[in-house]
Amino acid sequence: DTGVSQNPRHKITKRGQNVTFRCDPISEHNRLYWYRQTLGQGPEFLTYFQNEAQLEKSRLLSDRFSAERPKGSFSTLEIQRTEQGDSAMYLCASSLVAGGANYGYTFGSGTRLTVV
Amino acid sequence: DQQVKQNSPSLSVQEGRISILNCDYTNSMFDYFLWYKKYPAEGPTFLISISSIKDKNEDGRFTVFLNKSAKHLSLHIVPSQPGDSAVYFCAASGGRTSGTYKYIFGTGTRLKVLA
Repeated sequence: DTGVSQNPRHKITKRGQNVTFRCDPISEHNRLYWYRQTLGQGPEFLTYFQNEAQLEKSRLLSDRFSAERPKGSFSTLEIQRTEQGDSAMYLCASSLVAGGANYGYTFGSGTRLTVV
Repeated sequence: DQQVKQNSPSLSVQEGRISILNCDYTNSMFDYFLWYKKYPAEGPTFLISISSIKDKNEDGRFTVFLNKSAKHLSLHIVPSQPGDSAVYFCAASGGRTSGTYKYIFGTGTRLKVLA
């Protein structure tokens, strides 16, 4: 297992187009998180899944954003009708939560989105 | 409202000396804290953590101190090495209480270790 994998690494899209990113977590992890990082800021929480269930969404996640984790393994984050303000690094993280404790919180390398 | 603050955007330290990175938080419900290191074009890499039931945790050259009454934590790197040059993020979570384990990050401190 090589850690958390995110694809693509870079995406350039025209304003108004839809984009989809993929995250493959560490296989034994049951939690998957999406964060967004803009220049000069730390990562900001967007949403998370426990297995296939999406348990929380940040108010940062507008109606144009949707995330899925259909079989409790990989996850996709889709942005519809992209805007220039969506340009950011999108980070995925996974962890194992068991017995109330959190183990192995690991980030992927991110997908850098540029909306032109 | 910035719940986790790293007030020093950058820090330069001579190789071999101690680097001290600081972080302040406002939410008393935070009970678990992490430090991450980030190199350009990579995701954050976990460095060290501390639970609110402790006031110190060590891992090799890295030590994290937690002062709950002051809502302050710090990361000490001794001795500093040029390979430590990176952006360091402090992150906090109320995960042990809420079970969410979503992290609130500071804005980062860029550490430069001079050879």
